[in-house]
Amino acid sequence: TQLLEQSPQFLSIQEGENLTVYCNSSSVFSSLQWYRQEPGEGPVLLVTVVTGGEVKKLKRLTFQFGDARKDSSLHITAAQPGDTGLYLCAGADGSGSARQLTFGSGTQLTVLP
Amino acid sequence: EAQVTQNPRYLITVTGKKLTVTCSQNMNHEYMSWYRQDPGLGLRQIYYSMNVEVTDKGDVPEGYKVSRKEKRNFPLILESPSPNQTSLYFCASSSHLSVFGNEQFFGPGTRLTVL
Repeated sequence: TQLLEQSPQFLSIQEGENLTVYCNSSSVFSSLQWYRQEPGEGPVLLVTVVTGGEVKKLKRLTFQFGDARKDSSLHITAAQPGDTGLYLCAGADGSGSARQLTFGSGTQLTVLP
Repeated sequence: EAQVTQNPRYLITVTGKKLTVTCSQNMNHEYMSWYRQDPGLGLRQIYYSMNVEVTDKGDVPEGYKVSRKEKRNFPLILESPSPNQTSLYFCASSSHLSVFGNEQFFGPGTRLTVL
């Protein structure tokens, strides 16, 4: 069973600050997905990173896949209250099966105005 | 609007009283899954379906049943709920499978409390 550990588990910051969330494993993944879940809603896919070392940017969010494809990070620049939510990473084991995704436990981010 | 719907959104029940949580998607997706979300444990897959009449166990299937009689619907059945099934449940669908993972489209969730 592949495990994904996310850190920190909780993060509360002021508007305008920068932050980084980490997703780590001892297993190699074929890809890493990042989802954001807002209160009362289901997770929504933000990005998928596939290649080791890959960096993707989504406005103020920067996602990076580790060179060895075992870890990933999400960096938010100048956080805003609208960024508040639960951030989940999910790794694919490369089998192509419907069971291939392993989810991390999430980072609950609160951005205070 | 493309979406996954779940009903009910909130449910409080008692131990042993059978219940069904419905899930429907309007995107003509072949693949559907049920997850439960518990604090500190992330999302864990309960059951999944590859197509009509094709279902299989996920990581935590005990105490749950599913059926897939139509492509759009994938109900989750708890024949005899117990307090340890108190959780937040999500239905999800995806259009295809890839070795690079498949984007999951999630419903809004059903918060279940079993007393």
